[in-house]
Parts: sequence; C-alpha cells; structure tokens
Amino acid sequence: QQQVKQSPQSLIVQKGGISIINCAYENTAFDYFPWYQQFPGKGPALLIAIRPDVSEKKEGRFTISFNKSAKQFSLHIMDSQPGDSATYFCAATPAGGTSYGKLTFGQGTILTVHP
Amino acid sequence: ETGVTQTPRHLVMGMTNKKSLKCEQHLGHNAMYWYKQSAKKPLELMFVYNFKEQTENNSVPSRFSPECPNSSHLFLHLHTLQPEDSALYLCASSPLTVTGELFFGEGSRLTVL
Repeated sequence: QQQVKQSPQSLIVQKGGISIINCAYENTAFDYFPWYQQFPGKGPALLIAIRPDVSEKKEGRFTISFNKSAKQFSLHIMDSQPGDSATYFCAATPAGGTSYGKLTFGQGTILTVHP
Repeated sequence: ETGVTQTPRHLVMGMTNKKSLKCEQHLGHNAMYWYKQSAKKPLELMFVYNFKEQTENNSVPSRFSPECPNSSHLFLHLHTLQPEDSALYLCASSPLTVTGELFFGEGSRLTVL
C-alpha cells in the first residue's frame, strides 16, 4: 500500500533524446508527487513536483505527466544532455502540513546520457 | 556555511563501537529528517523531528538513537550496529509549508565491519 514502484532501474539515452521514467503507486491518500535528482557523492535535490489537480507540469526540459485514475506518473526529460546523467527518484506523500517531508521513494533510475 | 552539512562524510565502525552522525542546517527550517539509502533500495525514512520534537519513528531498531537539541542540529547515535546497517545516511530539513521541499545533506557513508 505504501510502495512506489519505479521503472526502469537504468536508462541509457543519446544526447538530444527523450528520457522517460515511470512510477506507479497504490495509496490513494498520496497527494504530492516530487521527483528528486541525485548526482554521485551528493544528496538528492528536488527537481520538479506535481499535485494531482493537474495532469501535467513542465519546467524547462523536465515534464511530469500525471494519470490519477491509473495511479501513475512519469518524468520526461526532453533534449537530454550528458549533464542530466544522475539517479532520479520519484516520491509520494499524503497531503498535510507536516506530511510533505515524509516521502515514500521509488527505487531510483540511473540515467546515463551519452554525448 | 549554507544548506545542510553532515559529518563525518565517511565512517567505519566495528559492531561493538559507539559513534554519532551529526547534521546541521543553516536554512531556518523547523523540520529535520534522517533517511537511510541502501544500494538498490528506495530511500527509507527513519525519523522526523518538528520543532525539536520527534514526530515519526519508522520502526527503526533501538541501536539507532536520534537526538535533536534544537531546530538546527540533528544527531544519530549508533551503537552495536550490524553489517547490514552499512549504508548512506542522509539528513534533510524542510520548512513546514505546503510545498515542504526536502533539502538533503551529502550524507554520511557508514560501513559496519
């Protein structure tokens, strides 16, 4: 019930291509869905986040698509660059002022963008 | 200094040792967290502190003992750990607002021999 399932585990994309990472959840109480990016030797950092009242959110080359009925959401990275090579985590949490930091994370996707 | 700072960055300890991990945040946040990151597993929430009070203990074994003396500092005291406790321990802080973005430190890499 609390899990967030993320796929694929690893992804290799050519420079300029589109990277797509998918996540699925079961807990209908989840109300906030962030994506975190982690470079080697660094802690994760918030990349982009969405709430289920919208189906899509775009920030630069990064887009979250959200399908509430299917309980799925995905990250699209357009025009992928070698500097995007990192581990990406989807996450989810119930709504509420003190709940937002209590994230349930997916397993992570290691993205490699070849020049 | 800015952001979330964790020390030490690397720690090797025996199963009978006692050690502590330290976290300090300079962001003025009121919530602090310990997360555990193991290879090929999702990040796991361990503890949550709001305004120095522990509000979440995610069924963590008692060999891990957190301490939050004030809103800027968080410790994780370690004693009689097991080899399977080897992992990256991440501290994070967040404001208590609607977005609640987590700001992570770079982590303390723990190896238990």
